[in-house]
Amino acid sequence: TQLLEQSPQFLSIQEGENLTVYCNSSSVFSSLQWYRQEPGEGPVLLVTVVTGGEVKKLKRLTFQFGDARKDSSLHITAAQPGDTGLYLCALTGGGNKLTFGTGTQLKVEL
Amino acid sequence: NAGVTQTPKFRILKIGQSMTLQCAQDMNHNYMYWYRQDPGMGLKLIYYSVGAGITDKGEVPNGYNVSRSTTEDFPLRLELAAPSQTSVYFCASREREISYEQYFGPGTRLTVT
Repeated sequence: TQLLEQSPQFLSIQEGENLTVYCNSSSVFSSLQWYRQEPGEGPVLLVTVVTGGEVKKLKRLTFQFGDARKDSSLHITAAQPGDTGLYLCALTGGGNKLTFGTGTQLKVEL
Repeated sequence: NAGVTQTPKFRILKIGQSMTLQCAQDMNHNYMYWYRQDPGMGLKLIYYSVGAGITDKGEVPNGYNVSRSTTEDFPLRLELAAPSQTSVYFCASREREISYEQYFGPGTRLTVT
């Protein structure tokens, strides 16, 4: 069974700070997705990365896929309260299924 | 498009009762999924379907059953509810062979007491 671990598990920061969350797999994967989930709602896709070493930017969010295709990171610049939520990575191996990571709960305070 | 809809939004069951969680999507997606999410955690796959009439087990199928008689609907059945099934249940769908993006419903919060 492929394991997908995220760190940190919890993160509480002040508005304007930068942060990075990590996603690590026990084995190589073909592609990876990042989702954000707000309280009381289902996850929403932020990005899919498919190439080792790939970097994608979505406004203040920067996603990186490790060269060895076993890890990924999400960096948020100048965090805002609207960034608060549960950030989930998910790997797209195993054909039709996603395997989700354990999640990073982010809280951005004024 | 309504996307993925789930009913009910909340439910309290007594131990041993049964219920069906409803899920429907209007995007003509072939792939549909049921997940459960325990507090502050990621999602665990219960069952999935790649098309009408085809279902398969995920990571945690025990205590649940599914059916897929139409492309639109994918109900999840709980038989003999147990406290360990207290969770938030999410249904999702995916467009076949386009991308791995899954579209999630708003969830059903289930408490078994």
